[in-house]
Amino acid sequence: ELKVEQNPLFLSMQEGKNYTIYCNYSTTSDRLYWYRQDPGKSLESLFVLLSNGAVKQEGRLMASLDTKARLSTLHITAAVHDLSATYFCAVVTSFTGNQFYFGTGTSLTVIP
Amino acid sequence: DTGVSQDPRHKITKRGQNVTFRCDPISEHNRLYWYRQTLGQGPEFLTYFQNEAQLEKSRLLSDRFSAERPKGSFSTLEIQRTEQGDSAMYLCASSLAGSGTDTQYFGPGTRLTVL
Repeated sequence: ELKVEQNPLFLSMQEGKNYTIYCNYSTTSDRLYWYRQDPGKSLESLFVLLSNGAVKQEGRLMASLDTKARLSTLHITAAVHDLSATYFCAVVTSFTGNQFYFGTGTSLTVIP
Repeated sequence: DTGVSQDPRHKITKRGQNVTFRCDPISEHNRLYWYRQTLGQGPEFLTYFQNEAQLEKSRLLSDRFSAERPKGSFSTLEIQRTEQGDSAMYLCASSLAGSGTDTQYFGPGTRLTVL
């Protein structure tokens, strides 16, 4: 069974600082997604990464994919309070059809 | 574009009762997914439709769970003889096959509480 692990599970960081969230998965992936979830809300799509070396950036968030290492990172630059949320990565492989396998999430709190 | 909608948003029921949830996907999307999410966890796949055909079901999905998408548009998820362990957020998502990214867009969820 495909396993997706994120770390850290909880992250508290000061405004203006940089940090990286890691997403490891256990088997070959076709696509990797990053989602954001605010408390009590549904999931919002952030990025989709389709190939090795793919890099996507939106504002203070940048996601990358290393398929050889089975690793994706979500880098936060100069954090602001509005980025406080839970971030999930999700993996799809050809072996699992179109099932998304989600990580356990990283709960990010940005402190003023 | 109205996005994915789900109804009801909250449901409280007594153990042993049956419940049914509805999901309306984004209109042009042909794929529809159901997930379950418990507190502090990522969404867990339940089942998936392409048009009206149910193509995959999780091995974790017990016989008490059934889903339909009769006309390839909206879908319903029914849980029979609910148990306290069924308490969770039930999320629906839709996507467009052949779009390249196949990004899933999620609805607001139905929060089920089984007393």
